[in-house]
Amino acid sequence: EAGVTQFPSHSVIEKGQTVTLRCDPISGHDNLYWYRRVMGKEIKFLLHFVKESKQDESGMPNNRFLAERTGGTYSTLKVQPAELEDSGVYFCASSQESYVAFFGQGTRLTVV
Amino acid sequence: DQQVKQNSPSLSVQEGRISILNCDYTNSMFDYFLWYKKYPAEGPTFLISISSIKDKNEDGRFTVFLNKSAKHLSLHIVPSQPGDSAVYFCAASAEGTYKYIFGTGTRLKVLA
Repeated sequence: EAGVTQFPSHSVIEKGQTVTLRCDPISGHDNLYWYRRVMGKEIKFLLHFVKESKQDESGMPNNRFLAERTGGTYSTLKVQPAELEDSGVYFCASSQESYVAFFGQGTRLTVV
Repeated sequence: DQQVKQNSPSLSVQEGRISILNCDYTNSMFDYFLWYKKYPAEGPTFLISISSIKDKNEDGRFTVFLNKSAKHLSLHIVPSQPGDSAVYFCAASAEGTYKYIFGTGTRLKVLA
């Protein structure tokens, strides 16, 4: 069974540009999460989807970040326009009904 | 304000000995705790979890202990192996939510 897949694995963009990250959860997992780790610090929650609905988006930093999960399958996280402080590793995770979430390998975003 | 704290950024242990990783939390609403292991350039991998109704959970070489009154949990790895060298994250969630609050991680190095 395929795990959580994220694309791209790395992205380097200039300040002001737009970047879209994609996450494919484990098949059948209704819960999908986005997390971010900045500068080797703690991994911070961004938001939680249940199927296509946003259950909790309390961790989204500001309105430059937009997450979608059309059809309740894969999800995208768009940053527009990107700022220097958005650099970090963005993790996606998914779970079924249990509390245990399975993480993807992450997308390392560098804004220069 | 850091609700989940891992006060030891790093730990070195000799192969075959016990590794003890510690985690403290401040939020009494947390009722589910997890440990994740992370290798470089990979996403966090689930290791073991414990519900607040228990004080111990064991899985092979890994045991998690929970002391609710002290708001403290620990992960014991016995015996430690070189392949255990990784960053270990403690995470907690509150009842009714699937959102994890992570600590900053402890880098474990097991010396051969």
